[in-house]
Amino acid sequence: NAGVMQNPRHLVRRRGQEARLRCSPMKGHSHVYWYRQLPEEGLKFMVYLQKENIIDESGMPKERFSAEFPKEGPSILRIQQVVRGDSAAYFCASSPKEETQYFGPGTRLLVL
Amino acid sequence: GQQLNQSPQSMFIQEGEDVSMNCTSSSIFNTWLWYKQDPGEGPVLLIALYKAGELTSNGRLTAQFGITRKDSFLNISASIPSDVGIYFCAGQPLGGSNYKLTFGKGTLLTVNP
Repeated sequence: NAGVMQNPRHLVRRRGQEARLRCSPMKGHSHVYWYRQLPEEGLKFMVYLQKENIIDESGMPKERFSAEFPKEGPSILRIQQVVRGDSAAYFCASSPKEETQYFGPGTRLLVL
Repeated sequence: GQQLNQSPQSMFIQEGEDVSMNCTSSSIFNTWLWYKQDPGEGPVLLIALYKAGELTSNGRLTAQFGITRKDSFLNISASIPSDVGIYFCAGQPLGGSNYKLTFGKGTLLTVNP
């Protein structure tokens, strides 16, 4: 049973470009969470989604950031017009219900 | 938001030594979780605690949910080189959403063979 998959593992963008991060949850998991980790910090909750629904986006910056989890395909975290401060590791987690979350390997975003 | 204070920030020990790290909060938590993160990877759940006073082991790892519900500790006995990594405490605060994890800043463990 494959774990949570994220791609790309590393992403380099120039300021002003768009970043699209993808997350495929574990098989049978319909709940997806995105967290951000700044250097030498713990993970910070961003958003919680179920299929086709955003349940809680209280941790997402109000501008430039969006997330979706369509009926088919992976969950996408989209960052428009990236700035240097967006450089971080972005982790996706999934769970079958609102219980134990299993994390993916993360996407390391570097904004030049 | 909720804050978790994790200590120590880093540890450098010899192989075979025991290790102890802890996490405290100013508010009550319903759940305490301990994760390990290897370089370039995501956090992996080690131990989950759901009741005050609960003491749970996973191999050489032992963790406890503090009686006050405001703290937890993790012990690693007889450390080995593959224990190297960053250990995070995380939890779900009382009255908060049961899916929104709050993380500490981590304890970086280095084991000298």
